[in-house]
Amino acid sequence: DQQVKQNSPSLSVQEGRISILNCDYTNSMFDYFLWYKKYPAEGPTFLISISSIKDKNEDGRFTVFLNKSAKHLSLHIVPSQPGDSAVYFCAARVPAGNNRKLIWGLGTSLAVNP
Amino acid sequence: DARVTQTPRDKVTEMGQEVTMRCQPILGHNTVFWYRQTMMQGLELLAYFRNRAPLDDSGMPKDRFSAEMPDATLATLKIQPSEPRDSAVYFCASGFSPGRGTQYFGPGTRLLVL
Repeated sequence: DQQVKQNSPSLSVQEGRISILNCDYTNSMFDYFLWYKKYPAEGPTFLISISSIKDKNEDGRFTVFLNKSAKHLSLHIVPSQPGDSAVYFCAARVPAGNNRKLIWGLGTSLAVNP
Repeated sequence: DARVTQTPRDKVTEMGQEVTMRCQPILGHNTVFWYRQTMMQGLELLAYFRNRAPLDDSGMPKDRFSAEMPDATLATLKIQPSEPRDSAVYFCASGFSPGRGTQYFGPGTRLLVL
């Protein structure tokens, strides 16, 4: 049972346009949400995070929005660039005790076309 | 530029052989994670260490997999005996706890068991 779901396996957008990647979760106890980007043959790299007490966090071209009532978060990339083409993973942190592990979505493959 | 290193990068072996994967976490990080990436399951957490002590290995097949941290600069993941279904990319990540849960990944070990 996936606690973190990325329902779109792939997304294609034009360069310069907005990319919106979505993530849904089921556990209201998650306290942090993170987005990672992964290029082929490399490990995932941290992109941006948001605390469960916030509803928005922005870093340059990347903005993450959190809607706790809907248990939904999204990553916006504006403007999209060809170098953004990668697989994007959404992850949520379990706060219980010392075991603060991350629960991962299956990823969304983003293609930004020139 | 501090990075997580993993060796080997690629490993081809025959069924029944022992496989050892090594990871050097980022100096100063006190958490180490082992993940396996497959197409169907995404990033599966196999083992999680904090201050070299195992916190969670519930995702690891206990009969054939073992994970250790002999010292703060080395984490190992062993498979004995290996099976074709173990073929996957294995990632090591390190981080610092307490914190936001950000994990820094190595480049991965691509394992193929024939």
